[in-house]
Amino acid sequence: QKEVEQNSGPLSVPEGAIASLNCTYSDRVSQSFFWYRQYSGKSPELIMSIYSNGDKEDGRFTAQLNKASQYVSLLIRDSQPSDSATYLCAVIGGYQKVTFGTGTKLQVIP
Amino acid sequence: KAGVTQTPRYLIKTRGQQVTLSCSPISGHRSVSWYQQTPGQGLQFLFEYFSETQRNKGNFPGRFSGRQFSNSRSEMNVSTLELGDSALYLCASSFTSGGVSSYNEQFFGPGTRLTVL
Repeated sequence: QKEVEQNSGPLSVPEGAIASLNCTYSDRVSQSFFWYRQYSGKSPELIMSIYSNGDKEDGRFTAQLNKASQYVSLLIRDSQPSDSATYLCAVIGGYQKVTFGTGTKLQVIP
Repeated sequence: KAGVTQTPRYLIKTRGQQVTLSCSPISGHRSVSWYQQTPGQGLQFLFEYFSETQRNKGNFPGRFSGRQFSNSRSEMNVSTLELGDSALYLCASSFTSGGVSSYNEQFFGPGTRLTVL
């Protein structure tokens, strides 16, 4: 079992729809969770961080964390073609080790 | 505030050679982490330095090494290059790496694209 798992996609959504990206993790002591966006040929860019159970909203982005079920998700409302990218989930687990998922490719269709 | 910078941006080497990559973190950031990114393996953690000390290390062979200077700038070295070392090497900095807070947020540099022939 991978430490951080994401569906590789591609996840295709029409413009204006809600895109839902999911991530599960195996280390129960994990406390810090991050979502990054990576455009092709570019480096990852931090979108959101979340540390406690529940929802955290920032503009069109909402991160959701459920530590009991060991998953974290990212919702993108009113998806735009410019949101087309690979979204990486990162988790800080035991010993402050950072582990990234392999990413989900999102395609927003105009 | 200037972002994370990495030099060089592109590098072509041949098998058996060694290479040194450099990373300058965001001003005030004391933690620097290095990652290798390949299409097949995704983003793999190499090591993390904080205040000149290696605090974490990933599962890479000893050919991969690094160090951090007193000004928080970091270098990583790969000796005896292999074809499989061809990858994008990314450096990320954060204010710190302990506790649970936004101080752990990592910001990436543009990366160094290494090609081994």
